[in-house]
Amino acid sequence: QSALTQPASVSGSPGQSITISCTGTSSDVGNYNLVSWYQQHPGKAPKLMIYEDNKRPSGVSNRFSGSKSGNTASLTISGLQAEDEADYYCCSYSGYSTFLFGGGTKLTVL
Amino acid sequence: EVQLVESGGGLVQPGGSLRLSCAASGFTFSNFWMRWVRQAPGKGLEWVANINQDGGENYYVDPVKGRFTISRDNAKNSLYLQMNSLRAEDTAVYYCARGLRWSDNWGQGTLVTVSS
Repeated sequence: QSALTQPASVSGSPGQSITISCTGTSSDVGNYNLVSWYQQHPGKAPKLMIYEDNKRPSGVSNRFSGSKSGNTASLTISGLQAEDEADYYCCSYSGYSTFLFGGGTKLTVL
Repeated sequence: EVQLVESGGGLVQPGGSLRLSCAASGFTFSNFWMRWVRQAPGKGLEWVANINQDGGENYYVDPVKGRFTISRDNAKNSLYLQMNSLRAEDTAVYYCARGLRWSDNWGQGTLVTVSS
C-alpha cells in the first residue's frame, strides 16, 4: 500500500488560484468516486474540505473545488486568502475498507 | 455539537502496550463507522484502522495488523485502540475520526511516543 502522490509544496499570491494534484492508481483513485481532501493548520486536527471527489461539506467555502481525471484527483482553491495557508491531504478508498492518504502538500500564500 | 476527545497517549518503551480511548458526544455514536488515523512528527496522515457500527467489522493498515486492535463500546459512546508490541515507528499523534468513506469530524489527537 503506497501513499498517494502529491506535490510537496505549492504557492500562490492572494487572489490567485492554485491546484493540488493527487495521483494514485486504477486500484484506488481511478476505481472509486471516493477521494476526499483535508486541510490541516499547524498543531490542529484535519478538516474535511471535499468528499466523494467533488462534493463540498456545508460550511466549506465555494472557493474550494475537487475534480478527478483517471487516476489523478485535484483540489483547486480560487481567490487565495492568507488563511488558506496550510497542509492539504488527499485520501482515497483502496478497496476492502482500506484507505490511502497522500503525502501532503504545503500551501504557501505569498 | 459533535465532539471527539482522545486520551491514553504517553511515553512507552519499545515492545510495550498502550490503550487509546476516544469519547464521542453530540451525535448517535452507534450509527457511524469510526476510524483511527495517525501522524508521525513532521509527517503526513496515515489511516490506521476502521470499525463498523456494531464492532463486527474491522480493518487495519498492514504495518499494524496483528499488533493493534480497534474496538468500541456503544453504551459508553467510546472508541478504543489497543496497541501492543509497540515500535519506534508507531510514534505519532493518533486521531479518532467519524465516518468510513470520509471523516467530517476529528478529535484533537493524543501523542504516543515509543522510546527507551
